[in-house]
Amino acid sequence: KAGVTQTPRYLIKTRGQQVTLSCSPISGHRSVSWYQQTPGQGLQFLFEYFSETQRNKGNFPGRFSGRQFSNSRSEMNVSTLELGDSALYLCASSPRGGRGAKETQYFGPGTRLLVL
Amino acid sequence: TQLLEQSPQFLSIQEGENLTVYCNSSSVFSSLQWYRQEPGEGPVLLVTVVTGGEVKKLKRLTFQFGDARKDSSLHITAAQPGDTGLYLCAGALDNAGNMLTFGGGTRLMVKP
Repeated sequence: KAGVTQTPRYLIKTRGQQVTLSCSPISGHRSVSWYQQTPGQGLQFLFEYFSETQRNKGNFPGRFSGRQFSNSRSEMNVSTLELGDSALYLCASSPRGGRGAKETQYFGPGTRLLVL
Repeated sequence: TQLLEQSPQFLSIQEGENLTVYCNSSSVFSSLQWYRQEPGEGPVLLVTVVTGGEVKKLKRLTFQFGDARKDSSLHITAAQPGDTGLYLCAGALDNAGNMLTFGGGTRLMVKP
């Protein structure tokens, strides 16, 4: 079974631009979560989607948004990029998601975004 | 202030030594997960602990969940260079869906 795939793997943008990142979960998985990883803040939760609905949202500004399609693939969008948005963006999928996250989440390799 | 405090941040040891990484919080977690991350890759799950006091062993790695489900530890026996990497603990709060709260990570280097 193929793992979680994320595209693109690397991206360079300039301040003020917007960017869209894509995540394809493991086949059959319906929950997709997004995380931002930076050297200073570590891994921080952005949002979770399940059955095309945002189920949880982290403490990020409205410039960060996402969506999930009927095939469970997910995209996240960052508008009006700032230098501080440079990070590794990770996507994780799990079969159902659920209370207390007692099922395994499988992470993709991430998209490394550099904002100049 | 991080919800999950992980220590130490960095650890450099010789092959064959033992080490322990700690993960502490004032919050109660319904489960706690340990991940290992290699450069350029996403975190890979090592173990999930869900019961207070639970101890799980994975070859030379021993994971423990505190009785009150607020803390956890990872102990590696006879570390090997292949254990080098970033170790992350992550807690799941009840009623928080799939949201994981991560510790700051422990960067381990095992020298041959």
